Amino acid sequence: DAGITQSPRYKITETGRQVTLMCHQTWSHSYMFWYRQDLGHGLRLIYYSAAADITDKGEVPDGYVVSRSKTENFPLTLESATRSQTSVYFCASTNWGSGANVLTFGAGSRLTVL
Amino acid sequence: KQEVTQIPAALSVPEGENLVLNCSFTDSAIYNLQWFRQDPGKGLTSLLLIQSSQREQTSGRLNASLDKSSGRSTLYIAASQPGDSATYLCAVIRSGGSNYKLTFGKGTLLTVNP
Repeated sequence: DAGITQSPRYKITETGRQVTLMCHQTWSHSYMFWYRQDLGHGLRLIYYSAAADITDKGEVPDGYVVSRSKTENFPLTLESATRSQTSVYFCASTNWGSGANVLTFGAGSRLTVL
Repeated sequence: KQEVTQIPAALSVPEGENLVLNCSFTDSAIYNLQWFRQDPGKGLTSLLLIQSSQREQTSGRLNASLDKSSGRSTLYIAASQPGDSATYLCAVIRSGGSNYKLTFGKGTLLTVNP
């Protein structure tokens, strides 16, 4: 199916465990993003990527790792989950600089760290 | 640093009313501006994208305008319906050569009462 998909949609884990959230888009968009959304903080950018093998930190990168070996995938890893990382995570993609400028979001991944 | 402000933070109106949501930004050198809606517990859905060279965009009952000189965008919703109840966010994208920076407002929570 065309679009941007996130998995898992819901995840419960324990403090200290490693968790990877997956993001896959079928449009070959250059730009991909990871946001977290918490009550009172709105959307905060964690990491973004302008192309395969190019990633950069956003506003709140600590405790997170990303990679982008393929254009269509942008996984987000919490190396040692903490309770403060309980949040809803959104992935997004776009092709700024070309005709397809619309920023499109995935459905979100709700992560609970116990 | 681009700052994006959305006023009001919350708005409650009776069904059928026409309404305007505001988005102001401090840096007028924008690439484009995008309006989203977010339903509770859901992801962000793109409503309208206005390119820097455009003044407005329309989709059904929605009309978004852009005035770069005053640093303002408005989202006009005609004949509001209870189904329009959601949080509305504007996102301002600034470009500097091949670098793009996205800034979100904190959103306007709209409630349309039957």
